Amino acid sequence: DAGVIQSPRHEVTEMGQEVTLRCKPISGHNSLFWYRQTMMRGLELLIYFNNNVPIDDSGMPEDRFSAKMPNASFSTLKIQPSEPRDSAVYFCASSLGASREQFFGPGTRLTVL
Amino acid sequence: AQSVTQLGSHVSVSEGALVLLRCNYSSSVPPYLFWYVQYPNQGLQLLLKYTTGATLVKGINGFEAEFKKSETSFHLTKPSAHMSDAAEYFCAVIRGNAGNMLTFGGGTRLMVKP
Repeated sequence: DAGVIQSPRHEVTEMGQEVTLRCKPISGHNSLFWYRQTMMRGLELLIYFNNNVPIDDSGMPEDRFSAKMPNASFSTLKIQPSEPRDSAVYFCASSLGASREQFFGPGTRLTVL
Repeated sequence: AQSVTQLGSHVSVSEGALVLLRCNYSSSVPPYLFWYVQYPNQGLQLLLKYTTGATLVKGINGFEAEFKKSETSFHLTKPSAHMSDAAEYFCAVIRGNAGNMLTFGGGTRLMVKP
């Protein structure tokens, strides 16, 4: 199994640009999570999907952030427009509901200049 | 609401010494508890988990943790530290009826001295 796949691994962009982060969960998993990790705030859950439906997006910082899961094998997290304070490592994780163990991807390191 | 507290953001031990990383949680219902490890520039990897049954849980790389309900604790231990154990460790909790949503502690960075 390839595990959770995230792309790109690194992204450097300028303030005001649109950024799209991508995630492919483990095949067969029905829950998908987006997290953000910073030194100041640690690990924060941004949004959680179950069976492709957003269940809890209370962690999404503001309207500049949006996430979609058009099918069971793909999700995107979009930031538009990006700001320097969005610089962080963004992780995607997936799980099979019954086991509750989350498997994390390698993360996308985003730098907004 | 549930929360997770990890005492000590940084812990330093000598190679071969006991590793003890502390985790306390608050939950109004029986929790599911997890320890994850994060090596530099990598994602989080599950070390071990407690759901039900035996309160002493063994994980990968020689780590274990004991669920103590009376103390609301789930401390992580390893008898003998190895240089390769240097990483950041996260304790996490799911309430028994909260679906899959994990609440993470702030993390503890473990340093291992030669």
